[in-house]
Amino acid sequence: EPEVTQTPSHQVTQMGQEVILRCVPISNHLYFYWYRQILGQKVEFLVSFYNNEISEKSEIFDDQFSVERPDGSNFTLKIRSTKLEDSAMYFCASRELDRQRTEAFFGQGTRLTVV
Amino acid sequence: AQSVTQLDSQVPVFEEAPVELRCNYSSSVSVYLFWYVQYPNQGLQLLLKYLSGSTLVKGINGFEAEFNKSQTSFHLRKPSVHICDTAEYFCAVSDTGRRALTFGSGTRLQVQP
Repeated sequence: EPEVTQTPSHQVTQMGQEVILRCVPISNHLYFYWYRQILGQKVEFLVSFYNNEISEKSEIFDDQFSVERPDGSNFTLKIRSTKLEDSAMYFCASRELDRQRTEAFFGQGTRLTVV
Repeated sequence: AQSVTQLDSQVPVFEEAPVELRCNYSSSVSVYLFWYVQYPNQGLQLLLKYLSGSTLVKGINGFEAEFNKSQTSFHLRKPSVHICDTAEYFCAVSDTGRRALTFGSGTRLQVQP
């Protein structure tokens, strides 16, 4: 069964460093998302991406965040200068082209720890 | 804007007992509704979804949910739970145009022997 793959599963980084979280969406999917879940809190939407551009972003997704689909298969989330409060589980999700009957498939997540 | 409320942060239940996990939502437009499950140290897996049609939807692992538009609810039920159902359950909503999911705060189901 096709699945969304995220790497690494766990990343530890020092405050102020840049991190790149990687995702390989399901191959025929065209909508991509990043969500995050701070420990003990709800899953929060960060950004959606379609047709090589951001289609929507939340207030969390400020200038320190960026997304990219560099090679047609990977979908990345970059955090330019990490803060302690960026520590969270980051989930990538993908969805087929809208047929009004589809749901998002989530990856296993990357646990980011900023120290 | 939408919001999702899961009133119960934890639900302890004995094995083979029935369970209901409550979810209420608010939205000014029509919505799609979802329940996701998160097993320990794993990602989010779709349990079931309501898009339109019959208000009673059946999902994987014996779960079902009923959409109640007048009460803006989408409660999740299972008639007999197992130890392996122990997990975090998230209710989520998206509007038909926006598609990004708004999640509730989650309910931890703890099934005890």
